[in-house]
Parts: sequence; C-alpha cells; structure tokens
Amino acid sequence: AQSVTQPDIHITVSEGASLELRCNYSYGATPYLFWYVQSPGQGLQLLLKYFSGDTLVQGIKGFEAEFKRSQSSFNLRKPSVHWSDAAEYFCAVGVKQAGTALIFGKGTTLSVSS
Amino acid sequence: ETGVTQSPTHLIKTRGQQVTLRCSSQSGHNTVSWYQQALGQGPQFIFQYYREEENGRGNFPPRFSGLQFPNYSSELNVNALELDDSALYLCASSLQGNNEQFFGPGTRLTVL
Repeated sequence: AQSVTQPDIHITVSEGASLELRCNYSYGATPYLFWYVQSPGQGLQLLLKYFSGDTLVQGIKGFEAEFKRSQSSFNLRKPSVHWSDAAEYFCAVGVKQAGTALIFGKGTTLSVSS
Repeated sequence: ETGVTQSPTHLIKTRGQQVTLRCSSQSGHNTVSWYQQALGQGPQFIFQYYREEENGRGNFPPRFSGLQFPNYSSELNVNALELDDSALYLCASSLQGNNEQFFGPGTRLTVL
C-alpha cells in the first residue's frame, strides 16, 4: 500500500541554522511528490513538487528538496531558517486512481528558536 | 485569480446530526478533492469529484458523500455524525490530469 513516513514529529532549529526534514515514501510506480506547509489553523500551501526530471527541485520561500529513488526519499532542506518558517510541514505522494489522491505523512512540527 | 474558498469556517454539531460543508474551487479548476485532517495528523483523502461525478474515494464510509455542481463548486455531506468526525475538513481544487492541488483554509467541525 502507498504510504508516507515523516520520522521526525518535532524539530527545533535555531534561527539562521540549516534545516532538513525527512520524508520516505512507499509507492510502486514513479511517484509524484510534494511538500506542503501549514500554519496554525490554516490550510495547506504548496512549497514544491517533483514530477520528473531534475531530482533537485526548488520551491518557494528558499526551500529545496531532493528526490532519491534508491532511498525512496524526498527530503526538504533550507540553508538558513527564519522565525517565520515555524509551522507544520507535510510530505505527500500523489497516487493515481481515477483521479489523483494525495497521501500525506503525519507531519513534522518545526519550531525556530532565537 | 480567486483561490479556493470554504464555508463555514467553524461549526459545532451534535452526534447523530448531519452536516454540509461547501467549497468553491479556484478559477479555471474542474476537479475538487476533499480531505479530513484530525488533530495532530496529516490530511486523509475522502474523495474527488470531476464532471460532477465521484472520481476516486479513500477509506471512508458511505455516510460521507459529496456533490459537484456545473460551476465546479462542491459540497461534502456527512450523515449520522460521530465524535470521531471532529476534524478540519480541507477542500482542494485542481485541473484534471494535473497533479498539483490547491487547498482552501478548511472548515473546523466539532461534534459533541
């Protein structure tokens, strides 16, 4: 069955430090992969996506992610974290049914310390 | 360009009641998906609508049903509410064939 695992429930990073959020997926075919961010009480905002091609993808707000097929991973990175990056981050895989359903991980909460 | 909107923002129901949530898709989008996000969890796929028909469904019972209208807006209906239905319900719109989904702010449902 398709699934997404985000091993880290909560991460605290100092402002200005680098960030890496981990994501592993299980899917039999070539995956469509996404990272979304959710601020408290808000909907989901798309940070970046991977469909095919270059395995290093750039997103909004200075985020990037690297697709590694051999490791079934799609980790999110940012070189320098800002206090406004504190939020919940979700990794998702797009699963082809009649349409496309997104299967989400349980999320990683990012706290930023000053 | 108008984004995805949902109404109401919050609502409170009692167990056994029925509820209808509404979603207006982003301009130009013809597909609507609904997700349930329980507290502390990731969103779970309920179903998707395209051309006014259900186009895929997750592991949710039949008391979760939906509609899509000719203007691509959508409703999610939940009958016989249970306490575990308390969650944030998210609507997402997209273009059929395009995997990128755009989410609305959600409706917070509390079942007492």
